[in-house]
Amino acid sequence: DQQVKQNSPSLSVQEGRISILNCDYTNSMFDYFLWYKKYPAEGPTFLISISSIKDKNEDGRFTVFLNKSAKHLSLHIVPSQPGDSAVYFCAASGTGGTSYGKLTFGQGTILTVHP
Amino acid sequence: NAGVTQTPKFQVLKTGQSMTLQCAQDMNHNSMYWYRQDPGMGLRLIYYSASEGTTDKGEVPNGYNVSRLNKREFSLRLESAAPSQTSVYFCASTSTQSSYEQYFGPGTRLTVT
Repeated sequence: DQQVKQNSPSLSVQEGRISILNCDYTNSMFDYFLWYKKYPAEGPTFLISISSIKDKNEDGRFTVFLNKSAKHLSLHIVPSQPGDSAVYFCAASGTGGTSYGKLTFGQGTILTVHP
Repeated sequence: NAGVTQTPKFQVLKTGQSMTLQCAQDMNHNSMYWYRQDPGMGLRLIYYSASEGTTDKGEVPNGYNVSRLNKREFSLRLESAAPSQTSVYFCASTSTQSSYEQYFGPGTRLTVT
């Protein structure tokens, strides 16, 4: 049972354009969401996060949007750069009980930004 | 400041062999985690340690054991390796259980034949 889903295995965009990566979740107990970026042969690195009390969080070129009613979040990268080419993982956590501090990851989306 | 380190980087085992994956962090973090990454599956939590002296099962603990040796080190042991355990293993840490931003090591690529 995949509680966090990234339905697009890959995404290809042109340099300078917007990249939009999507993530859906099913567990209504999740209330904190993160995006991680992963280059080949490296561990994931934290990119940006959002709490369920917000619907948007922005950090430079990266913005995460959360739609709680739809159980959907998205990561926008504007403008996209070739160095953004990587695998992007969506992750979620609950703040109650035994789920506290544990992350559930999506399958990942491979982003390729063409010069 | 090396962050999270993992050894070895690569390992090939035969079915039934045992081995221990080592993880250490130098950030004085309390919580540590072991994940496995398989194609199309994302990262799945194997075991975690909320603080020194405690360990708990994650989503996929079968076939693994862990030891939180001290605050810095968290090892993962495969007692009798199976081909289904072929994967990339990542260790992560975070300052407290209430901090969701985990820092990851570079991973260990394990192949079981």
